[in-house]
Amino acid sequence: EDQVTQSPEALRLQEGESSSLNCSYTVSGLRGLFWYRQDPGKGPEFLFTLYSAGEEKEKERLKATLTKKESFLHITAPKPEDSATYLCAVGGSGGSNYKLTFGKGTLLTVNP
Amino acid sequence: DTGVSQDPRHKITKRGQNVTFRCDPISEHNRLYWYRQTLGQGPEFLTYFQNEAQLEKSRLLSDRFSAERPKGSFSTLEIQRTEQGDSAMYLCASSLARQVNYGYTFGSGTRLTVV
Repeated sequence: EDQVTQSPEALRLQEGESSSLNCSYTVSGLRGLFWYRQDPGKGPEFLFTLYSAGEEKEKERLKATLTKKESFLHITAPKPEDSATYLCAVGGSGGSNYKLTFGKGTLLTVNP
Repeated sequence: DTGVSQDPRHKITKRGQNVTFRCDPISEHNRLYWYRQTLGQGPEFLTYFQNEAQLEKSRLLSDRFSAERPKGSFSTLEIQRTEQGDSAMYLCASSLARQVNYGYTFGSGTRLTVV
């Protein structure tokens, strides 16, 4: 069974203070590792998909990286509007990539 | 197209009542998914459609739950004889079969409270 563990559960940063979120995963056949952002009361918003170890993707202040066992979401010089829950998910156990297994998320708060 | 729409946004119901939620996916998306999210947890897979065919149901989906996608367009999720444990956010998402690597597009969800 696919498993995703995210750490820390919550992270509080000052504006401009860079940090990283961790996602450890166990999957029988990785068909993609996904990062989503979720604001309170809303559905998750897609950020990145990573497929192979060593792959990196960037979007504004966010950069996602992937190894064989974990992924990191690096946040550089965050702003208060980056405050949200960041969810990690893996797709593809059993040879399909249509079903995602999510972690519990990391609640990020960026103080001005 | 304004994305994935879900209706209602909020639903409060008494235990034992039946409820039905609706999801309108992005029009050209042929895959539609239902997930459930409880407080402090990530979304959990419930079921998945490709066009009008329901291809998989999670063991989380008891006999009280049923989902349909007539004509491969909108979808409904019905919960019969609701229980307090059904209280959660019900999320719908859609994607193109050939573009799952672009991620799903989620709706804003229906928050169900069973009292």
